[in-house]
Amino acid sequence: EVQLVESGGGLVKPGGSLRLSCAASGFTFNNAWMKWVRQAPGKGLEWVGRFKSKIDGGTTDYAAPLKGRFTMSRDDSKNTLYLQMNSLKSEDTAVYYCVYYYNSSAHVDYWGPGTLVTVSS
Amino acid sequence: QAVVTQEPSLTVSPGGTVTLTCGSSTGTVSSGHYPYWLQQKPGQAPRTLIYDTTKKHSWTPARFSGSLLGGKAALTLSGAQPEDEAEYYCLLSYSGEGVFGGGTKLTVL
Repeated sequence: EVQLVESGGGLVKPGGSLRLSCAASGFTFNNAWMKWVRQAPGKGLEWVGRFKSKIDGGTTDYAAPLKGRFTMSRDDSKNTLYLQMNSLKSEDTAVYYCVYYYNSSAHVDYWGPGTLVTVSS
Repeated sequence: QAVVTQEPSLTVSPGGTVTLTCGSSTGTVSSGHYPYWLQQKPGQAPRTLIYDTTKKHSWTPARFSGSLLGGKAALTLSGAQPEDEAEYYCLLSYSGEGVFGGGTKLTVL
């Protein structure tokens, strides 16, 4: 059974940093293309970034407004995806979802339950 | 960053047909934008109904279909059911960067 569990959310002050983790299980993580999607309270979805599998290049793409502040990484030995968020602003307050959406040969669609990040003084 | 536009809200009668559209500020939406359509119900994580313009996941009801229509991506629901009441988001890819539309709140009434 595919499982994605995000962690690391919480309350952080403006200007602070936070690292989110997404622990994956039930599939071959090193073949997986992963992405982060966020949703501010009561608002729509926002695409944060994606990380291709290493076999497909291992490249990352970021939403233009977030480039430079947000960085994704992955540790295939630990089946974990990370999102490092720096210089946080109040508008970064959102539920952050980890998504497994492609595996080098097929489209899939698995979402974690999300982790809430609140940026407030 | 491109802006992706959707109808803020639409209403469809049970059993009726409705088309949701997804436009791009950069011009015509094409298959090269790899349009996705996602459904989100209150309190739930989103799930993808359509990817790559027309392709369905195994769980996508047959009454949903994706297409390109008049320079936009489109999601057509034929034979609406009460359980289709939800928020629908399109997602377009711009050379690897994804951009969501603002969502369409679909009411089945």
